[in-house]
Amino acid sequence: QQQVKQSPQSLIVQKGGISIINCAYENTAFDYFPWYQQFPGKGPALLIAIRPDVSEKKEGRFTISFNKSAKQFSLHIMDSQPGDSATYFCAARVYKLIFGTGTRLQVFP
Amino acid sequence: DTAVSQTPKYLVTQMGNDKSIKCEQNLGHDTMYWYKQDSKKFLKIMFSYNNKELIINETVPNRFSPKSPDKAHLNLHINSLELGDSAVYFCASSQDAASGELFFGEGSRLTVL
Repeated sequence: QQQVKQSPQSLIVQKGGISIINCAYENTAFDYFPWYQQFPGKGPALLIAIRPDVSEKKEGRFTISFNKSAKQFSLHIMDSQPGDSATYFCAARVYKLIFGTGTRLQVFP
Repeated sequence: DTAVSQTPKYLVTQMGNDKSIKCEQNLGHDTMYWYKQDSKKFLKIMFSYNNKELIINETVPNRFSPKSPDKAHLNLHINSLELGDSAVYFCASSQDAASGELFFGEGSRLTVL
Protein backbone atom coordinates (compact mmCIF):
# COMPACT_ATOMS: atom_id res chain seq x y z
CA GLN A 1 0.00 0.00 0.00
CA GLN A 2 2.99 2.26 0.53
CA GLN A 3 4.27 1.72 -3.02
CA VAL A 4 4.29 4.10 -5.92
CA LYS A 5 4.41 2.32 -9.27
CA GLN A 6 6.14 4.17 -12.09
CA SER A 7 6.32 3.46 -15.82
CA PRO A 8 8.00 3.24 -18.22
CA GLN A 9 11.42 2.28 -16.90
CA SER A 10 13.06 4.05 -19.82
CA LEU A 11 11.90 6.41 -22.54
CA ILE A 12 13.50 7.64 -25.73
CA VAL A 13 12.04 10.75 -27.31
CA GLN A 14 12.97 12.89 -30.29
CA LYS A 15 13.80 16.54 -29.64
CA GLY A 16 10.59 18.55 -29.72
CA GLY A 17 8.43 15.58 -28.82
CA ILE A 18 6.29 14.98 -25.73
CA SER A 19 7.61 12.81 -22.91
CA ILE A 20 5.01 11.16 -20.67
CA ILE A 21 5.77 9.30 -17.43
CA ASN A 22 3.03 7.65 -15.40
CA CYS A 23 2.66 6.81 -11.73
CA ALA A 24 0.02 4.97 -9.74
CA TYR A 25 -0.58 4.59 -6.02
CA GLU A 26 -2.91 2.78 -3.63
CA ASN A 27 -2.71 4.67 -0.36
CA THR A 28 -5.39 7.37 -0.23
CA ALA A 29 -3.59 8.99 2.72
CA PHE A 30 -0.93 10.38 0.36
CA ASP A 31 -1.33 14.17 0.35
CA TYR A 32 1.46 15.54 -1.82
CA PHE A 33 2.85 14.29 -5.12
CA PRO A 34 6.18 15.72 -6.29
CA TRP A 35 8.35 14.86 -9.25
CA TYR A 36 12.11 14.85 -8.91
CA GLN A 37 14.72 15.10 -11.67
CA GLN A 38 18.15 13.50 -11.27
CA PHE A 39 21.13 14.08 -13.55
CA PRO A 40 24.04 11.60 -13.54
CA GLY A 41 26.34 12.13 -10.56
CA LYS A 42 23.91 14.50 -8.86
CA GLY A 43 21.22 14.24 -6.24
CA PRO A 44 17.53 14.39 -7.16
CA ALA A 45 16.03 17.88 -7.32
CA LEU A 46 12.38 18.89 -7.04
CA LEU A 47 10.92 19.66 -10.45
CA ILE A 48 7.21 20.20 -9.88
CA ALA A 49 4.60 19.06 -7.35
CA ILE A 50 0.83 18.81 -6.97
CA ARG A 51 -1.69 18.32 -4.19
CA PRO A 52 -4.68 15.95 -4.64
CA ASP A 53 -7.26 18.73 -4.71
CA VAL A 54 -5.91 19.96 -8.06
CA SER A 55 -6.21 18.07 -11.36
CA GLU A 56 -3.40 19.78 -13.25
CA LYS A 57 -0.37 21.94 -12.60
CA LYS A 58 1.81 23.49 -15.25
CA GLU A 59 5.23 25.08 -14.91
CA GLY A 60 6.80 26.03 -18.21
CA ARG A 61 7.14 22.89 -20.35
CA PHE A 62 6.35 20.58 -17.41
CA THR A 63 2.80 19.58 -16.50
CA ILE A 64 1.47 17.21 -13.86
CA SER A 65 -1.93 15.64 -14.54
CA PHE A 66 -3.61 14.15 -11.48
CA ASN A 67 -6.55 11.73 -11.48
CA LYS A 68 -7.66 11.22 -7.89
CA SER A 69 -10.38 8.65 -8.63
CA ALA A 70 -7.99 6.50 -10.64
CA LYS A 71 -5.13 7.10 -8.16
CA GLN A 72 -2.83 8.01 -10.99
CA PHE A 73 -0.68 10.98 -11.87
CA SER A 74 1.62 11.71 -14.75
CA LEU A 75 4.35 14.07 -15.85
CA HIS A 76 4.23 15.56 -19.33
CA ILE A 77 7.28 17.27 -20.78
CA MET A 78 6.35 19.31 -23.82
CA ASP A 79 8.90 20.20 -26.53
CA SER A 80 11.42 17.81 -24.95
CA GLN A 81 15.04 18.94 -25.18
CA PRO A 82 18.35 17.04 -24.96
CA GLY A 83 18.98 18.90 -21.70
CA ASP A 84 15.92 17.14 -20.24
CA SER A 85 17.76 13.81 -20.47
CA ALA A 86 17.80 12.59 -16.87
CA THR A 87 16.12 10.12 -14.53
CA TYR A 88 12.70 11.21 -13.29
CA PHE A 89 11.12 10.02 -10.06
CA CYS A 90 7.54 10.45 -9.01
CA ALA A 91 6.94 10.43 -5.28
CA ALA A 92 4.11 10.53 -2.79
CA ARG A 93 4.05 11.70 0.78
CA VAL A 94 2.25 10.31 3.80
CA TYR A 95 4.53 11.01 6.76
CA LYS A 96 7.56 10.36 4.55
CA LEU A 97 8.34 10.62 0.85
CA ILE A 98 8.03 7.35 -1.05
CA PHE A 99 9.68 7.34 -4.44
CA GLY A 100 8.69 5.53 -7.61
CA THR A 101 11.24 3.32 -9.34
CA GLY A 102 12.44 6.01 -11.76
CA THR A 103 12.28 6.59 -15.51
CA ARG A 104 15.40 7.18 -17.54
CA LEU A 105 14.57 9.72 -20.23
CA GLN A 106 16.80 10.20 -23.25
CA VAL A 107 16.03 13.00 -25.68
CA PHE A 108 17.83 12.77 -29.01
CA PRO A 109 18.43 15.76 -31.30
CA ASP B 1 27.75 27.93 -1.68
CA THR B 2 26.58 24.29 -1.51
CA ALA B 3 23.26 23.88 0.30
CA VAL B 4 23.63 20.21 1.30
CA SER B 5 27.16 18.88 1.26
CA GLN B 6 28.33 15.34 1.90
CA THR B 7 31.79 13.92 2.39
CA PRO B 8 33.38 11.86 1.11
CA LYS B 9 32.02 11.70 -2.44
CA TYR B 10 33.60 8.29 -3.01
CA LEU B 11 34.42 5.49 -0.57
CA VAL B 12 36.07 2.21 -1.53
CA THR B 13 36.64 -0.24 1.29
CA GLN B 14 36.93 -3.90 2.20
CA MET B 15 34.21 -6.06 3.67
CA GLY B 16 34.17 -5.94 7.45
CA ASN B 17 35.50 -2.40 7.73
CA ASP B 18 33.71 0.51 9.40
CA LYS B 19 33.10 3.79 7.58
CA SER B 20 31.38 7.12 8.12
CA ILE B 21 29.72 9.64 5.83
CA LYS B 22 29.18 13.23 6.96
CA CYS B 23 26.50 15.66 5.89
CA GLU B 24 25.96 19.35 6.52
CA GLN B 25 23.20 21.70 5.39
CA ASN B 26 23.32 25.50 5.44
CA LEU B 27 19.66 26.06 4.57
CA GLY B 28 18.47 26.46 8.14
CA HIS B 29 16.20 23.43 7.73
CA ASP B 30 14.85 21.48 10.69
CA THR B 31 14.75 18.02 9.11
CA MET B 32 17.47 15.85 7.60
CA TYR B 33 17.42 12.46 5.93
CA TRP B 34 19.55 9.60 4.69
CA TYR B 35 18.43 7.84 1.51
CA LYS B 36 20.03 4.84 -0.16
CA GLN B 37 20.06 4.52 -3.95
CA ASP B 38 20.95 1.07 -5.22
CA SER B 39 22.35 0.02 -8.59
CA LYS B 40 18.84 0.00 -10.11
CA LYS B 41 18.38 3.61 -9.01
CA PHE B 42 15.74 2.75 -6.38
CA LEU B 43 15.64 5.49 -3.73
CA LYS B 44 14.77 4.30 -0.27
CA ILE B 45 14.59 6.31 2.92
CA MET B 46 16.73 5.04 5.78
CA PHE B 47 16.51 7.63 8.54
CA SER B 48 15.09 11.05 9.25
CA TYR B 49 15.93 13.50 12.03
CA ASN B 50 13.91 16.51 13.03
CA ASN B 51 15.76 19.01 15.23
CA LYS B 52 18.26 16.31 16.23
CA GLU B 53 15.52 13.84 17.14
CA LEU B 54 15.16 10.57 15.21
CA ILE B 55 11.68 10.46 13.67
CA ILE B 56 11.98 7.85 10.94
CA ASN B 57 13.95 4.64 11.26
CA GLU B 58 13.19 2.26 8.45
CA THR B 59 14.06 -1.44 8.61
CA VAL B 60 17.78 -0.87 8.33
CA PRO B 61 20.36 -3.26 9.85
CA ASN B 62 21.75 -2.23 13.25
CA ARG B 63 25.13 -1.86 11.58
CA PHE B 64 23.89 1.53 10.35
CA SER B 65 23.88 4.22 12.99
CA PRO B 66 22.96 7.82 12.27
CA LYS B 67 23.98 10.69 14.53
CA SER B 68 22.82 14.29 14.49
CA PRO B 69 25.03 16.50 16.69
CA ASP B 70 22.95 19.55 15.75
CA LYS B 71 20.18 20.27 13.26
CA ALA B 72 22.63 21.28 10.53
CA HIS B 73 24.58 18.03 10.63
CA LEU B 74 23.67 14.39 10.11
CA ASN B 75 26.30 11.66 9.96
CA LEU B 76 25.98 8.00 9.04
CA HIS B 77 28.28 5.37 10.50
CA ILE B 78 28.31 1.87 9.06
CA ASN B 79 29.90 -1.05 10.92
CA SER B 80 31.07 -4.37 9.51
CA LEU B 81 30.47 -3.40 5.89
CA GLU B 82 28.96 -6.03 3.57
CA LEU B 83 28.95 -6.32 -0.22
CA GLY B 84 25.25 -5.45 -0.28
CA ASP B 85 25.96 -2.08 1.32
CA SER B 86 27.47 -0.88 -1.96
CA ALA B 87 25.24 1.97 -3.11
CA VAL B 88 25.01 5.74 -3.35
CA TYR B 89 23.97 7.30 -0.06
CA PHE B 90 22.19 10.63 -0.26
CA CYS B 91 21.74 13.12 2.49
CA ALA B 92 18.80 15.50 2.18
CA SER B 93 17.12 18.23 4.17
CA SER B 94 13.70 19.88 4.25
CA GLN B 95 12.20 22.94 5.94
CA ASP B 96 10.33 20.72 8.37
CA ALA B 97 9.16 17.12 8.75
CA ALA B 98 5.91 17.80 6.87
CA SER B 99 7.58 19.25 3.78
CA GLY B 100 7.74 17.17 0.62
CA GLU B 101 10.40 19.40 -0.87
CA LEU B 102 13.70 17.76 -0.14
CA PHE B 103 17.08 19.24 -1.00
CA PHE B 104 19.57 16.49 -1.76
CA GLY B 105 23.33 16.43 -1.56
CA GLU B 106 25.36 15.05 -4.45
CA GLY B 107 25.67 11.63 -2.90
CA SER B 108 28.42 9.44 -1.50
CA ARG B 109 29.21 6.39 -3.60
CA LEU B 110 30.21 3.48 -1.35
CA THR B 111 31.88 0.45 -2.92
CA VAL B 112 32.52 -2.57 -0.71
CA LEU B 113 35.02 -5.08 -2.11
